[in-house]
Amino acid sequence: ETGVTQTPRHLVMGMTNKKSLKCEQHLGHNAMYWYKQSAKKPLELMFVYSLEERVENNSVPSRFSPECPNSSHLFLHLHTLQPEDSALYLCASSQDWGSKQETQYFGPGTRLLVL
Amino acid sequence: AQSVAQPEDQVNVAEGNPLTVKCTYSVSGNPYLFWYVQYPNRGLQFLLKYITGDNLVKGSYGFEAEFNKSQTSFHLKKPSALVSDSALYFCAVRDEGYGQNFVFGPGTRLSVLP
Repeated sequence: ETGVTQTPRHLVMGMTNKKSLKCEQHLGHNAMYWYKQSAKKPLELMFVYSLEERVENNSVPSRFSPECPNSSHLFLHLHTLQPEDSALYLCASSQDWGSKQETQYFGPGTRLLVL
Repeated sequence: AQSVAQPEDQVNVAEGNPLTVKCTYSVSGNPYLFWYVQYPNRGLQFLLKYITGDNLVKGSYGFEAEFNKSQTSFHLKKPSALVSDSALYFCAVRDEGYGQNFVFGPGTRLSVLP
């Protein structure tokens, strides 16, 4: 295992629901990331947190709301999602953000289905 | 801008044969190159990376990759494929002179046939 855990592993929600995805890293890293992986598309970086501050927000719709209460935990709050938001959501962490040599370590992902 | 191409959607190889998964990149500065593997219903696992130094990089599970600056390539190789190597493989690049984030390729599905 990589030291990055995600819950839940699977989630089905209606378009009017509110849910949250959770990520936890046990590696002592300072940077955490949310990615979206859709079929037939490259991985899309959604958000980056470094030392609990958001440093990247890649034009993600406001129905996705990240939260990083401490350097070990990252949440993605979901509300009024659309069916096209169905995807695998991956969390990753790295020692620091800003060094181009840094390796990112990924969690197993949450498979989200929006009905 | 930086970009990564993986020209093959699918690679099939017989068990015991050598395998190659191709990756080419485009950057403005020096590249930092990574390979990740994704098994079904799992996240991405780091295999290896090239930062500087020897053009041949050795990684996990017997994989290696060769950095070729003139051909802007970073192909992943293994001398003898295993059925358990069947997975989705992603190449990723960071550009020394541009931004902090990875650009990932679209992925190549490797099937190793018994």
